[in-house]
Amino acid sequence: EAGVAQSPRYKIIEKRQSVAFWCNPISGHATLYWYQQILGQGPKLLIQFQNNGVVDDSQLPKDRFSAERLKGVDSTLKIQPAKLEDSAVYLCASSPITTVETQYFGPGTRLLVL
Amino acid sequence: GENVEQHPSTLSVQEGDSAVIKCTYSDSASNYFPWYKQELGKGPQLIIDIRSNVGEKKDQRIAVTLNKTAKHFSLHITETQPEDSAVYFCAASTNTGNQFYFGTGTSLTVIP
Repeated sequence: EAGVAQSPRYKIIEKRQSVAFWCNPISGHATLYWYQQILGQGPKLLIQFQNNGVVDDSQLPKDRFSAERLKGVDSTLKIQPAKLEDSAVYLCASSPITTVETQYFGPGTRLLVL
Repeated sequence: GENVEQHPSTLSVQEGDSAVIKCTYSDSASNYFPWYKQELGKGPQLIIDIRSNVGEKKDQRIAVTLNKTAKHFSLHITETQPEDSAVYFCAASTNTGNQFYFGTGTSLTVIP
């Protein structure tokens, strides 16, 4: 079974630029999560989708972050404009159902904002 | 919301010794507690989990214990090996929404 795929793996941008990350979850997984992991901290949930609907985006900074999951499969996370404090690893995870269940994480995208 | 605290932040042990990592949580509604291992440059990988209806779970050299009354749970690794060196995260979750609240991580180093 293929795991969660993410791209790019690394991205360096200047502040005020925009950036987008892509995630392809495990086939058949209805739920998809985007996490932000700042160096030295645990992952923090940004947004959760079930199929193509948003379940929880309460911690997403909506003035600059946006995410979509068209057709309930792949997802993109965008930052526009980026700030220095957005430097982090952005992790995508998926799980089969929205009840308590294992989340499978991708390798992450490491973003550096200069 | 839920608050998960994790200790210690760093841990060094000799190969073959045991390692223990402890977490506390604040929300009594939390009922699922996974542990993840994160190696450098990789995403977190689930190593063991426990649900609130059991007090202990073991998988070979890894075990997790849960004390619901005290709201704390622990990861125990016995006979540690150099390949156990990584950052370990605990998390807590409730049935509603499946949002995970992660601890701040423990960097484990196993010295050969």
